[in-house]
Amino acid sequence: AQTVTQSQPEMSVQEAETVTLSCTYDTSESDYYLFWYKQPPSRQMILVIRQEAYKQQNATENRFSVNFQKAAKSFSLKISDSQLGDAAMYFCAYRSAKGAQKLVFGQGTRLTINP
Amino acid sequence: DAGVIQSPRHEVTEMGQEVTLRCKPISGHNSLFWYRQTMMRGLELLIYFNNNVPIDDSGMPEDRFSAKMPNASFSTLKIQPSEPRDSAVYFCASSRKRAYNEQFFGPGTRLTVL
Repeated sequence: AQTVTQSQPEMSVQEAETVTLSCTYDTSESDYYLFWYKQPPSRQMILVIRQEAYKQQNATENRFSVNFQKAAKSFSLKISDSQLGDAAMYFCAYRSAKGAQKLVFGQGTRLTINP
Repeated sequence: DAGVIQSPRHEVTEMGQEVTLRCKPISGHNSLFWYRQTMMRGLELLIYFNNNVPIDDSGMPEDRFSAKMPNASFSTLKIQPSEPRDSAVYFCASSRKRAYNEQFFGPGTRLTVL
């Protein structure tokens, strides 16, 4: 079974600075997808960024980018120019490309933005 | 386009009562997922459907939980009888049936069982 681990329960960053959230996963599959979801206090789950395992190029979405290291099974999220609205819980998630469609989530990292 | 709709948003009930949570997926999506979020266990899948058919219910905790999807636009998650340990936020999500497709989450139902 696949597992996802987020080793940082909490992180904080100064507004306008850069922060990196860590995620590692364990799988025997070679084809899969990785996601970062954001959950603000409203508790709505919002997709931040997605990475296909077969792509070597790291995904980027505006201020959000990932560092995907397939061999190391690592998938970190970098937030540049942090804004107050980025404060939220961030969840890393794994989804198999074949078979089970469910998302397997990490325990989450609570990100605080200091003004 | 409306997102995933869940009702009720909040539910407070007493132990032993039946609880029914409802979900309307996004039109055109043929996969539907029920997740539960607790402090202890985080976010975990309970069950998911493809084309209204249950595919994986291995996450359903016990026989007190049941889920149905009678048509493409409606699903229910029922707990009978409810227990205090069932208190959690229950999310419904839907997607098109491809692994790379985003799962869109509803706002969740916060269930409190006293």
